[in-house]
Amino acid sequence: EIVLTQSPGTLSLSPGERATLSCRASQSVSSSYLAWYQHKPGQAPRLLIYGASSRATGIPDRFSGSGSGTDFTLTISRLEPEDFGVYYCQQYGSSPCSFGQGTKLEIK
Amino acid sequence: EVQLVESGGGLVQPGESLRLSCAASGFTFISYSMNWVRQAPGKGLEWISYISSSRSTIYYAESVRGRFTISRDNAKNSLYLQMNSLRAEDTAVYYCVMIRGVAVYWGQGTLVTVSS
Repeated sequence: EIVLTQSPGTLSLSPGERATLSCRASQSVSSSYLAWYQHKPGQAPRLLIYGASSRATGIPDRFSGSGSGTDFTLTISRLEPEDFGVYYCQQYGSSPCSFGQGTKLEIK
Repeated sequence: EVQLVESGGGLVQPGESLRLSCAASGFTFISYSMNWVRQAPGKGLEWISYISSSRSTIYYAESVRGRFTISRDNAKNSLYLQMNSLRAEDTAVYYCVMIRGVAVYWGQGTLVTVSS
């Protein structure tokens, strides 16, 4: 099973700032099958990025994903108030899929 | 349009059983493997079970192995999760998840509460 480790655990930033979230895998993620989600209480996880760098439908272009192999990054170029929440990475190139433990993005 | 609709959640007492269902539509269900993922209150996302399209390969997370059983009925386009010997720590929202190529699809989830 591939273990995903996200960093930092918590990120405190102000609206307008740039956020950089990291996801590191214990083994190479097959074909960049890596996704990023935003999760808010009471809601289903919102898919932001799939295939490491493709934005899901309706996701603003301030969200971008990059990386390959074992190191992946989610970047939010200019934070909006609604962007705060918990972010998870998921690898789905190897079965079973697995999730990182999450990065909490909070208002500074 | 891919749709995954979970049902069957509810409030049960510790030790009891519950069966979750996931109705799939908008894609060729028989062609794709399926997963169950859960999120406990205040916790992260946890993958708990996988079943291949032909049912030949099944995986479970350690936390549910021996208590939960995943199954599917390809004729009914449905995925199931039989949950036995439920514990308080199984309290969570349960999601069915389908992976098609590089795309990932989630249902809206069903809440399971285990409490006396």
